Amino acid sequence: SAVISQKPSRDICQRGTSLTIQCQVDSQVTMMFWYRQQPGQSLTLIATANQGSEATYESGFVIDKFPISRPNLTFSTLTVSNMSPEDSSIYLCSVGGGSYEQYFGPGTRLTVT
Amino acid sequence: AQKITQTQPGMFVQEKEAVTLDCTYDTSDPSYGLFWYKQPSSGEMIFLIYQGSYDQQNATEGRYSLNFQKARKSANLVISASQLGDSAMYFCAMREGRRGTSYGKLTFGQGTILTVHP
Repeated sequence: SAVISQKPSRDICQRGTSLTIQCQVDSQVTMMFWYRQQPGQSLTLIATANQGSEATYESGFVIDKFPISRPNLTFSTLTVSNMSPEDSSIYLCSVGGGSYEQYFGPGTRLTVT
Repeated sequence: AQKITQTQPGMFVQEKEAVTLDCTYDTSDPSYGLFWYKQPSSGEMIFLIYQGSYDQQNATEGRYSLNFQKARKSANLVISASQLGDSAMYFCAMREGRRGTSYGKLTFGQGTILTVHP
């Protein structure tokens, strides 16, 4: 199984600021996925990040709000821009592409005040 | 249309007893995978078990088994001999399609909170 780490594990941010979340995998993976879990809700996919190409965003999510970088096959970042209290969530990165492997990082718990 | 449905917001079970968590799904793709994850209060997503749409047998992983009924489009999780540490949120998820640009994208159900009583 892939070992995934995320930084920061949690943060409290002011409204209007931005936070960049890092996701590091211990092996090379083709695709990385970013999910959001709002309080008391299920997980929703934000975007899919492939190395060497633009991220693909799901309906309701835009690049200006959630810019993503994928500089190599083991690393990705998600930025939450111009934050509002509605952005308070757990943000999780996930890796897949194998036969059935689909693993998640420990998550970043974001609170916006 | 919702693709993954978990109809039990909360379930209670006595320690050492078995419990079934329900999950139904909807897809027109003949190739898909079904996952169950456990999410404790820490927020991490712990992979429990996987069932592929072409798998002939129900998946099992230790105390976890998946009751896969393809015709009924259900993929219920059975936890045997419940333990206090099983108390958590449980999510059913589906991955559609063959290997490709969307391969690996998961759609989640709303989750079931399981509480194990001593």
